[in-house]
Amino acid sequence: AQSVAQPEDQVNVAEGNPLTVKCTYSVSGNPYLFWYVQYPNRGLQFLLKYITGDNLVKGSYGFEAEFNKSQTSFHLKKPSALVSDSALYFCAVRASYSSASKIIFGSGTRLSIRP
Amino acid sequence: EAQVTQNPRYLITVTGKKLTVTCSQNMNHEYMSWYRQDPGLGLRQIYYSMNVEVTDKGDVPEGYKVSRKEKRNFPLILESPSPNQTSLYFCASSLRTGPDSPLHFGNGTRLTVT
Repeated sequence: AQSVAQPEDQVNVAEGNPLTVKCTYSVSGNPYLFWYVQYPNRGLQFLLKYITGDNLVKGSYGFEAEFNKSQTSFHLKKPSALVSDSALYFCAVRASYSSASKIIFGSGTRLSIRP
Repeated sequence: EAQVTQNPRYLITVTGKKLTVTCSQNMNHEYMSWYRQDPGLGLRQIYYSMNVEVTDKGDVPEGYKVSRKEKRNFPLILESPSPNQTSLYFCASSLRTGPDSPLHFGNGTRLTVT
């Protein structure tokens, strides 16, 4: 069975500092991994995905994520946080052999950036 | 502008009064789905559609109906709403039906059933 864990409900970071939002997953076979961001009163927006290839993937708004197969992790990172990065972040996973419908979302991590 | 449009954004209704939440996408996407978002439970899939006239149940389909008569539209129907269907609902679509295609979400419909 597929599953995604986001171990931190909330992450607090000072503006200008690096940030990390953690995600671990469990899936049979090769994973397809995604990060989404949700701003207040909006739907989820796609940030980036890992399908295959380079373990470090770059996405929107200066975010990147590192795929680590041995640790089954896909942590979201940004070198220098902005106040405008404050939002709810979701990690999601699909198995490579599955369809679009078989996506599992984590419970979300609220990122708060203080000025 | 490429987008998924849901209407209404907010809806307050009473138990048993049938309602429809509309969803439309202008990106010629094959796949569409409905989710509900509840505190502590994350996103749960209600129904999905791989193509016109092809729909299937997600994880929490009870009390809901959908239809996909046209590629762009995927309405969510609550025939007899109950208070436990009070939630934030999202429609989503993706270009392809394969596992690599990211989802595009609407801005949500906040439903309250009294």
